[in-house]
Amino acid sequence: GDSVTQMEGPVTLSEEAFLTINCTYTATGYPSLFWYVQYPGEGLQLLLKATKADDKGSNKGFEATYRKETTSFHLEKGSVQVSDSAVYFCALGSRDTGFQKLVFGTGTRLLVSP
Amino acid sequence: DVKVTQSSRYLVKRTGEKVFLECVQDMDHENMFWYRQDPGLGLRLIYFSYDVKMKEKGDIPEGYSVSREKKERFSLILESASTNQTSMYLCASYPAGGGNSPLHFGNGTRLTVT
Repeated sequence: GDSVTQMEGPVTLSEEAFLTINCTYTATGYPSLFWYVQYPGEGLQLLLKATKADDKGSNKGFEATYRKETTSFHLEKGSVQVSDSAVYFCALGSRDTGFQKLVFGTGTRLLVSP
Repeated sequence: DVKVTQSSRYLVKRTGEKVFLECVQDMDHENMFWYRQDPGLGLRLIYFSYDVKMKEKGDIPEGYSVSREKKERFSLILESASTNQTSMYLCASYPAGGGNSPLHFGNGTRLTVT
């Protein structure tokens, strides 16, 4: 079945450092890919998405490119802030299920220190 | 903005108790979901519902049931709570035909079974 693998955390960075959180997937067909973020004490919220190969999703300085050849969707940010400290989840949605039933990775906690 | 409200942020229950987790959404979404979130395991789908009185099992339905009597409300029921059901529970909603619309999550209910 479909699956998502993301790097284990926590990822600990200093403010203004460059961030990469790796995500790879296994899926049949042509899934859509998502990054969700969970701030402390809150539910998940969509950070960015990409619906087809070579698409780049971006939001709040974060970017991720849908790479079909490497089945990857790595999250990047050029300069992190303390307020980016959160748990980040990579997820995929299948066209066959109307993108409703997302498959999530295990989450990567990011800790940014001043 | 879509609002998904989970009635309790924290619950403490005893082994063997019947537990109800309530979720209400205010945007007339047809689809509603219950996920369980555990460290190192990410989010796992328990049950979902695509219409009133309709339900489908997710990946880990054992020990749970659900009720959807009204469109806006989706309840998760633990018939006889056990300690291995201690977890964070997240409700989400999604519109029918929403294509690449994001899942909208509540803030979660942290359940402790003692």
